[in-house]
Amino acid sequence: EVQLVESGGGLVKPGGSLRLSCAASGFTFSSYSMNWVRQAPGKGLEWVSSISSSSSYIYYADSVKGRFTISRDNAKNSLYLQMNSLRAEDTAVYYCARDHSSSSEGLDYWGQGTLVTVSS
Amino acid sequence: DIQMTQSPSSLSASVGDRVTITCRASQSISSYLNWYQQKPGKAPKLLIYAASSLQSGVPSRFSGSGSGTDFTLTISSLQPEDFATYYCQQSYRFGQGTRLEIK
Repeated sequence: EVQLVESGGGLVKPGGSLRLSCAASGFTFSSYSMNWVRQAPGKGLEWVSSISSSSSYIYYADSVKGRFTISRDNAKNSLYLQMNSLRAEDTAVYYCARDHSSSSEGLDYWGQGTLVTVSS
Repeated sequence: DIQMTQSPSSLSASVGDRVTITCRASQSISSYLNWYQQKPGKAPKLLIYAASSLQSGVPSRFSGSGSGTDFTLTISSLQPEDFATYYCQQSYRFGQGTRLEIK
């Protein structure tokens, strides 16, 4: 059974940093591109970042470029999101999600999400 | 930059109704359009990929159509568990969502 379990969320002050993790199991992690998608309270979905299976290709939303860094460790079946210079508008539930079979065919498995709250 | 616009933003319907949700892209995206269902407090669930392909395990009452700029998600006969918010997605862009409520 495919499972994605996020961790690392919490309360952080503006300007602070946080590192999210996503532990994957039930599939060959090293064969899939992975993504972070966030959802602010009461709002819609916003794609944050993507990383290809071998980390060769990395993409970011303009809203986080230069502040967030996506990475993965295929030996540990884990995906990460380092978030620096956090702002109030980064407050959201952060989901990790797997590419279906290509980036154009959707995200077929999602974690349960981890809440990041940026507030003083 | 491609924009994705869903309509309506909310919709009231009854169990057994046929419901259609529309997603329009600001420029042609071929068939690169996916649909998700999200229930409160839960992660989104992939329903339809590549405009019309039904994701494994998704009931056949869900269907998708369209290409180019105009796409639709149709639920042929609404079930109680279908009341949720639906999102379209193209690449790194999501629509704003359509909230489907019980009439």
